[in-house]
Amino acid sequence: GQSLEQPSEVTAVEGAIVQINCTYQTSGFYGLSWYQQHDGGAPTFLSYNALDGLEETGRFSSFLSRSDSYGYLLLQELQMKDSASYFCAVRGSPLMDSSYKLIFGSGTRLLVRP
Amino acid sequence: DTAVSQTPKYLVTQMGNDKSIKCEQNLGHDTMYWYKQDSKKFLKIMFSYNNKELIINETVPNRFSPKSPDKAHLNLHINSLELGDSAVYFCASSRQPGEIQEAFFGQGTRLTVV
Repeated sequence: GQSLEQPSEVTAVEGAIVQINCTYQTSGFYGLSWYQQHDGGAPTFLSYNALDGLEETGRFSSFLSRSDSYGYLLLQELQMKDSASYFCAVRGSPLMDSSYKLIFGSGTRLLVRP
Repeated sequence: DTAVSQTPKYLVTQMGNDKSIKCEQNLGHDTMYWYKQDSKKFLKIMFSYNNKELIINETVPNRFSPKSPDKAHLNLHINSLELGDSAVYFCASSRQPGEIQEAFFGQGTRLTVV
């Protein structure tokens, strides 16, 4: 089976840096994605890591350590509009039928305060 | 121009009724999905179609029947609606099944069964 764990809520101040962690247990692993979802909105793709290391996209960075089954999303220079839920999601191994599934964590609600 | 559009946005109906949700994508993608998001924001895949063929069918009651008339459309029909079906249903697409890590989501259909 597959399961992902991430904190349920994180609060930070505008302009600060925040890190949202995700640990996963999977029977096969192909990559870790991150999605952002504002209240009442659609999940929006942010980043994807298939290999170990850091991927940077503007103010957002995502990190993966496959040996630790761990990843994180780093948000810098926080803005009020970053208040949203953030989901990590695992794609299973292409050797297993989970390859075509994106399994989502339960989401981390980020609240950015002035 | 909306990339993935689904209708209706809101649906309130009585138990026992049959309803449909429609989804269309204009991205030229081969693969489309239906996800269900419950009240705790947990996102779970229900179905996936690749070029009109069913490739993922999760453990979903057979009251739910997807139909893909062409690769740009994936509709969801639900028979004999139950209270527990109340959720937000998201349609999504990706270029190919192998690129599911970067999926584009529609705005969701909030289904309320009373």
